[in-house]
Amino acid sequence: QKEVEQNSGPLSVPEGAIASLNCTYSDRVSQSFFWYRQYSGKSPELIMSIYSNGDKEDGRFTAQLNKASQYVSLLIRDSQPSDSATYLCAVAGGTSYGKLTFGQGTILTVHP
Amino acid sequence: DGGITQSPKYLFRKEGQNVTLSCEQNLNHDAMYWYRQDPGQGLRLIYYSQIVNDFQKGDIAEGYSVSREKKESFPLTVTSAQKNPTAFYLCASSMAGPRDTQYFGPGTRLTVL
Repeated sequence: QKEVEQNSGPLSVPEGAIASLNCTYSDRVSQSFFWYRQYSGKSPELIMSIYSNGDKEDGRFTAQLNKASQYVSLLIRDSQPSDSATYLCAVAGGTSYGKLTFGQGTILTVHP
Repeated sequence: DGGITQSPKYLFRKEGQNVTLSCEQNLNHDAMYWYRQDPGQGLRLIYYSQIVNDFQKGDIAEGYSVSREKKESFPLTVTSAQKNPTAFYLCASSMAGPRDTQYFGPGTRLTVL
């Protein structure tokens, strides 16, 4: 079983729609959760971090965390073509203190 | 201008050669990390260091070596023992602690000829 698993892509949504990206993790005592965006050929850049159960909003982005279900998601509202990228879920803490474990990434395409 | 720099951007290696990838940061971060990314995959941790003169193996350390003589620098050597070194190598840094965000350098793309 993979430690961090993301919903298989690619995910294609029309411009203006909501894109929903999902991630599950296996280490029950994980403490920190991150979403990175990676454009083709570039390095990952942080979009959101979340540490407590519930929702965290930043502009068009909302991260949702449910530790009981070991589930974290990222919603992108009013999706734009510039949001087209690979989204990486990363989990830290717990039994792997100080280390990030990444999911395999979900490719998102927003078409006009 | 603070950040993380990696050099070179592209590197070509002949089989049997060792090569060293540079990573420098001026963010005053305690921890530094090296990841490898293969096409269509997530990042896998090679080595990490949370303090000068100390480092730990990650999930795929075989065929790689590192040093941490200065807080700002964490070079990675890809040795001839690494059987499939062609990949995108990413260096990251953070303050110490599981809540601290890792920030990435621009990466080095290594190709074995």
